[in-house]
Amino acid sequence: GESVGLHLPTLSVQEGDNSIINCAYSNSASDYFIWYKQESGKGPQFIIDIRSNMDKRQGQRVTVLLNKTVKHLSLQIAATQPGDSAVYFCAENQRVQGAQKLVFGQGTRLTINP
Amino acid sequence: DVKVTQSSRYLVKRTGEKVFLECVQDMDHENMFWYRQDPGLGLRLIYFSYDVKMKEKGDIPEGYSVSREKKERFSLILESASTNQTSMYLCASSSQRIPGGVYSYTFGSGTRLTVV
Repeated sequence: GESVGLHLPTLSVQEGDNSIINCAYSNSASDYFIWYKQESGKGPQFIIDIRSNMDKRQGQRVTVLLNKTVKHLSLQIAATQPGDSAVYFCAENQRVQGAQKLVFGQGTRLTINP
Repeated sequence: DVKVTQSSRYLVKRTGEKVFLECVQDMDHENMFWYRQDPGLGLRLIYFSYDVKMKEKGDIPEGYSVSREKKERFSLILESASTNQTSMYLCASSSQRIPGGVYSYTFGSGTRLTVV
């Protein structure tokens, strides 16, 4: 049957505050995770990645945390700016029958209040 | 600069039409992917290809087919378009030859298809 789209989870933060976007992944064997940012009218763009042998990785204003025990990933954005408004996707690398593919979460829309 | 180009930003087609979505990458990447994106459902993999003339079904291949006759071009085909195929379609590519490159997807800007 025809699938019905769900409402996209949203997060609203004040400009200058820190943002935390969460993601639950499905496969305990996934060995690599990526966060993507998608601005309106554009394709997703790479932000930061983390391997399963790490629990934290920092970039410029962004930090990714990985909790393998509960299969949870988070993206922290420091001092959120208007340009951070976008939809954010987590992705996990899965190995399927010897091939590798990225499986994406449903996305979270981040809006910045002035 | 790495580039994935999708030929159309917006398309409107009628139910039952055969639709071709074209994707070209200029990075000599081996891997190419087609996703559809719907609100609240994220990106869902339709088909992918790891080499010329090679194709693999993704998670939602029904109603679609693909063609990869040349390394740089990966086409998505809707044999008989239906209204439930109205969506944003995203093409991506990645490389197997550079360390970690298989994970690093480069996406096109997307084609928003409306089937009426």
